[in-house]
Amino acid sequence: QQPVQSPQAVILREGEDAVINCSSSKALYSVHWYRQKHGEAPVFLMILLKGGEQKGHEKISASFNEKKQQSSLYLTASQLSYSGTYFCGTEKRGSWGKLQFGAGTQVVVTP
Amino acid sequence: GAGVSQSPRYKVAKRGQDVALRCDPISGHVSLFWYQQALGQGPEFLTYFQNEAQLDKSGLPSDRFFAERPEGSVSTLKIQRTQQEDSAVYLCASSLPLLGLYEQYFGPGTRLTVT
Repeated sequence: QQPVQSPQAVILREGEDAVINCSSSKALYSVHWYRQKHGEAPVFLMILLKGGEQKGHEKISASFNEKKQQSSLYLTASQLSYSGTYFCGTEKRGSWGKLQFGAGTQVVVTP
Repeated sequence: GAGVSQSPRYKVAKRGQDVALRCDPISGHVSLFWYQQALGQGPEFLTYFQNEAQLDKSGLPSDRFFAERPEGSVSTLKIQRTQQEDSAVYLCASSLPLLGLYEQYFGPGTRLTVT
């Protein structure tokens, strides 16, 4: 069962912040975040393993609440380059890295 | 270094034709994944290799889909007797698992259109 992402889409002005959520009904081992621009390959952003763990990539950070099976991606002081579709991929323990992806959140950053 | 490459980038097949999609993973990556991505959706898992061993093929939609990685590097996804519902982007990803973490690097994909 794929994770649920919200919102489906968000429009930001440059410099604004946004949060993308990813939730699963199953116990998770890790959560992966990717960004995909139109017609391109998904690009790895970060992987979160432990409950409560937070990581950062440029001004993009994420957290993983293991107890709630939820992860959130934070886009801070957004830049034009942040535009794209963000996917969370969830992994169960012992599944060799097999990911189930959400439907994606389309982010548009305008000048 | 070189990333994951896939060929062809675009493939148009008539319904009923067989197709073969190639993936060249990052050198040294032991894990290789195939995903199918429909328009406007997230990638869906098809199959997984660790070196030459296919450890999980639970996502292959039918027995018309077949994947191999005979020497543990290049992989080929073959679709026999293509159907219109096979139209999608097929993504390959490779990983060098480190401490149990499968950080996956994707290729550009092959866009398959079945007419």
